[in-house]
Amino acid sequence: QKEVEQNSGPLSVPEGAIASLNCTYSDRGSQSFFWYRQYSGKSPELIMFIYSNGDKEDGRFTAQLNKASQYVSLLIRDSQPSDSATYLCAVTAMNTGNQFYFGTGTSLTVIP
Amino acid sequence: EAGVVQSPRYKIIEKKQPVAFWCNPISGHNTLYWYLQNLGQGPELLIRYENEEAVDDSQLPKDRFSAERLKGVDSTLKIQPAELGDSAVYLCASSFQGNTEAFFGQGTRLTVV
Repeated sequence: QKEVEQNSGPLSVPEGAIASLNCTYSDRGSQSFFWYRQYSGKSPELIMFIYSNGDKEDGRFTAQLNKASQYVSLLIRDSQPSDSATYLCAVTAMNTGNQFYFGTGTSLTVIP
Repeated sequence: EAGVVQSPRYKIIEKKQPVAFWCNPISGHNTLYWYLQNLGQGPELLIRYENEEAVDDSQLPKDRFSAERLKGVDSTLKIQPAELGDSAVYLCASSFQGNTEAFFGQGTRLTVV
């Protein structure tokens, strides 16, 4: 079992809709959770991080963390064509020496 | 503030040749990571440094790969000799400390022919 699992997609949503991206992780000791956006041919760009259960909002982005169920999600409201990218989930845990484990990413396409 | 700087951006070499990548992390960041990313995959950790100490190099193919981070700032990743399967993007990232958000450089795209 991989440490971090994501649906590879592709996920397509119409412009203006809510895009929902999900990530599950296997290590119950995981403590820090990150979402990165990666445009084709570019390097990953940090868009959000969350450490505590619940929701964290930043502009059109909301990260949701549920440690009991071991999942973290990213909601993108009012999706724009410029949001089309691959979204990578990353998780760290102290008992693995704070190594960043990345999922394989979910490809999102926002259709104008 | 300058971000993570990597060079070169692109490198094409023949198999069996050596190659080196350089990374300058964000000022003040103690943790430095080298990742490998293949097309359609997430980044895979090669080595992580806390200051000048390599604290996690379990995924580094030590028969051909080596890395150093002298003085706990810049880092160099070397492959010798390169193989066709080493063609990938090599990413460097840094963070203030482990378990905090990491920021990536632009990456080096290596093509081995």
